Amino acid sequence: EAQVTQNPRYLITVTGKKLTVTCSQNMNHEYMSWYRQDPGLGLRQIYYSMNVEVTDKGDVPEGYKVSRKEKRNFPLILESPSPNQTSLYFCASSSPDSYYGYTFGSGTRLTVV
Amino acid sequence: AQKITQTQPGMFVQEKEAVTLDCTYDTSDPSYGLFWYKQPSSGEMIFLIYQGSYDQQNATEGRYSLNFQKARKSANLVISASQLGDSAMYFCAMRPGGSNYKLTFGKGTLLTVNP
Repeated sequence: EAQVTQNPRYLITVTGKKLTVTCSQNMNHEYMSWYRQDPGLGLRQIYYSMNVEVTDKGDVPEGYKVSRKEKRNFPLILESPSPNQTSLYFCASSSPDSYYGYTFGSGTRLTVV
Repeated sequence: AQKITQTQPGMFVQEKEAVTLDCTYDTSDPSYGLFWYKQPSSGEMIFLIYQGSYDQQNATEGRYSLNFQKARKSANLVISASQLGDSAMYFCAMRPGGSNYKLTFGKGTLLTVNP
């Protein structure tokens, strides 16, 4: 089944404790992206990657890092999480011939206390 | 830069009635795609419908149709015969043509279907 897999689904952590949210897709998509969703703000892009070793900032990159060492994986790293990074995070992938835009992961609900 | 505006934070509709969710967009790209996604309370993003900027006809998918008015830069979603399961957050999104894959989202509309 074609899918984007994010882990974990839920995470509660403390301020300053480094964490990684994993994202993997099995569709050989070139493009991957991370979004955060906050009430009243919709989804905002954090980082994206056009292909292996090619990443760039989205609209709200502060406090986040990403890497793309393999085509299928695009982890989101929070080196020192803060409470304002409490949010719902989505990973998504796409390709030039993807009629439906993006395939989204199931989301990761992160709470930083 | 692209921008999506959804002016209705919340909407209510009676079961079995039709409802229109508004979406306007702003872009200077000649080619683009417009999407609607549904997000139920469980949180996943569900693709509903797509409209290309050069498509001559309005897109339809079952009970969903997209009222595309290019000159007015609007892409409203029409849900016919609403069901209780349609209660969810709905997002309008836009993707430019070419090699830019970025999806820009509106802030969403929370639809509640009343029995």
